[in-house]
Amino acid sequence: DGGITQSPKYLFRKEGQNVTLSCEQNLNHDAMYWYRQDPGQGLRLIYYSQIVNDFQKGDIAEGYSVSREKKESFPLTVTSAQKNPTAFYLCASSRQGNYGYTFGSGTRLTVV
Amino acid sequence: GNSVTQMEGPVTLSEEAFLTINCTYTATGYPSLFWYVQYPGEGLQLLLKATKADDKGSNKGFEATYRKETTSFHLEKGSVQVSDSAVYFCALVRMDSNYQLIWGAGTKLIIKP
Repeated sequence: DGGITQSPKYLFRKEGQNVTLSCEQNLNHDAMYWYRQDPGQGLRLIYYSQIVNDFQKGDIAEGYSVSREKKESFPLTVTSAQKNPTAFYLCASSRQGNYGYTFGSGTRLTVV
Repeated sequence: GNSVTQMEGPVTLSEEAFLTINCTYTATGYPSLFWYVQYPGEGLQLLLKATKADDKGSNKGFEATYRKETTSFHLEKGSVQVSDSAVYFCALVRMDSNYQLIWGAGTKLIIKP
């Protein structure tokens, strides 16, 4: 079955460490997105990519970095510059057109 | 610009009650409209969509009608169940920017037995 996979489901980070969240899709979708969700809050866009080797900042890109070397993969690195990284991170993908997004099941990141 | 406004939650109902979650939008042109649902600890799932005025999207007993004259896409269900407890997001697609979605803030629904 086609889908979008995020790993790990839970991640713990020490202060000052970088961590990378994985997002892989086998839907042959061109576009991929990373969102951050805080408790009781909506979705905030971190980064998005419409094609391989190209990506754009969203509304809250500071302290995050991404790469898009393959169509299937869009990893997100939470750097030590992100002062408050504890949150639920959601990856999504879409194909060109009016079809909406397909979401992964999320990664919950906690700073310890 | 493009925006989506949802009613604030939480919305608390008893089982078998009638549900309405309001969603209004501003947009250039005639965007497609979506409702997504997020169960606790999970990602979002597409619940229903409508692509043009007067279209009705429906799924799992939920319905929403695309009303151009009132720029609304309210979510309704005739008889809710405890299992419908979740957060519901309304969204529109930006036709002028590679079909990116613009999201409402989400409405938490709590159904009591």
